[in-house]
Amino acid sequence: EVQLVQSGAAVKKPGESLKISCKGSGYSFTSYWIGWVRQMPGKGLEWMGIIYPGDSDTRYSPSFQGQVAISADKSINTAYLQWSSLKASDTAMYYCARLLAGDSHDAFDIWGQGTMVTVSS
Amino acid sequence: DLQMTQSPSSLSASVGDRVTITCRASQSISGYLNWYQQKLGKAPKLLIYAASSLQSGVPSRFSGSGSGTDFTLTISSLQPEDFATYYCQQSHSFPHTFGQGTKLEIK
Repeated sequence: EVQLVQSGAAVKKPGESLKISCKGSGYSFTSYWIGWVRQMPGKGLEWMGIIYPGDSDTRYSPSFQGQVAISADKSINTAYLQWSSLKASDTAMYYCARLLAGDSHDAFDIWGQGTMVTVSS
Repeated sequence: DLQMTQSPSSLSASVGDRVTITCRASQSISGYLNWYQQKLGKAPKLLIYAASSLQSGVPSRFSGSGSGTDFTLTISSLQPEDFATYYCQQSHSFPHTFGQGTKLEIK
């Protein structure tokens, strides 16, 4: 079964660092881009960025460039989303998703279950 | 960034109704348009990619159409499990922006 399994919920204080993970299984992890999507409480979906685990090529949304870091360890089929200094406004659900890419389309076909990040003093 | 605007933002309908949701891009995106369904507390699910291609396993009552800047998602006969929030997404250029969502509620 193709699946993405994310790390568990995190509760942090402002200024702390955090790295959440997304482990792929059931497919060739290095052959598909993995993306990250933010959903703030009660709000819509925001595309943050994507990484190609095969060579770590990464693309960021300008809204998130410099605010987070996306990385991957292909030896353990895992992608990461990292913050060096969290803010209260980072409180959200974060989803990873696999990008199904083709000549005429790119779409997130497999999604992780989500990781809830709460930042509060 | 490309802007994606969905209408309506919310919609009330009954089981068996035919429903159409519209998505408009701020510039031409050819057919690079996806539709997702998200139920409360769950991850989004891909329904339609490349404007009109039905993702494997998705019921045939869902269909998509359009190209350029104007797109539609149609549910031909609403079922109880279809009440959810629907998002369009463009994949023409980075960042692959989403629409603001359309919440489909039971009348």
